[in-house]
Amino acid sequence: AQSVTQPDIHITVSEGASLELRCNYSYGATPYLFWYVQSPGQGLQLLLKYFSGDTLVQGIKGFEAEFKRSQSSFNLRKPSVHWSDAAEYFCAVGAQNQAGTALIFGKGTTLSVSS
Amino acid sequence: DAGVIQSPRHEVTEMGQEVTLRCKPISGHNSLFWYRQTMMRGLELLIYFNNNVPIDDSGMPEDRFSAKMPNASFSTLKIQPSEPRDSAVYFCASSWDWSTEAFFGQGTRLTVV
Repeated sequence: AQSVTQPDIHITVSEGASLELRCNYSYGATPYLFWYVQSPGQGLQLLLKYFSGDTLVQGIKGFEAEFKRSQSSFNLRKPSVHWSDAAEYFCAVGAQNQAGTALIFGKGTTLSVSS
Repeated sequence: DAGVIQSPRHEVTEMGQEVTLRCKPISGHNSLFWYRQTMMRGLELLIYFNNNVPIDDSGMPEDRFSAKMPNASFSTLKIQPSEPRDSAVYFCASSWDWSTEAFFGQGTRLTVV
């Protein structure tokens, strides 16, 4: 079955430091991969997505992610974190089954930014 | 477009009562999703529709939950009877196609006491 694992429940990063959030997926075919961000009390906003082509994907707010098929990973990175980046981050895979397709989410990683 | 609109934003109800959550997707979107978010289980896909037809409802926890999409601009998620363990934030999302960006509403925080 398709699944997404985000190994880190909570990460704290100093403002200005670099960030990497890990995501591993389980899917038999070439996956469609997404990163979403959720601010407190809000819905989810798409940061970036990977469908095919260049394995390094650029997104909004200075984020990027790299698809590594050999590692079944799609880690999110940012070179310099801002205090406003504090939020919860979700990795998702577009999964297809006999009934159709839908987004399956990981359990999320909460990012705290210290000054 | 105002985005995906969910109502109510907050709902507090007593155990055993019927609860109806509402969603208005973005105009022109063909797919609609209902998710439930809890601390323990994260974001769970409950059901999704394509062109108003339910495609996969395997995530619906039990028969107490039902969802409808009578037309392209409206969907409901109903819980009858509600139980305390149903307390969660329920999100509706829509997209042009499942493989494109899903736009999320701000969610309905349901508390069953």
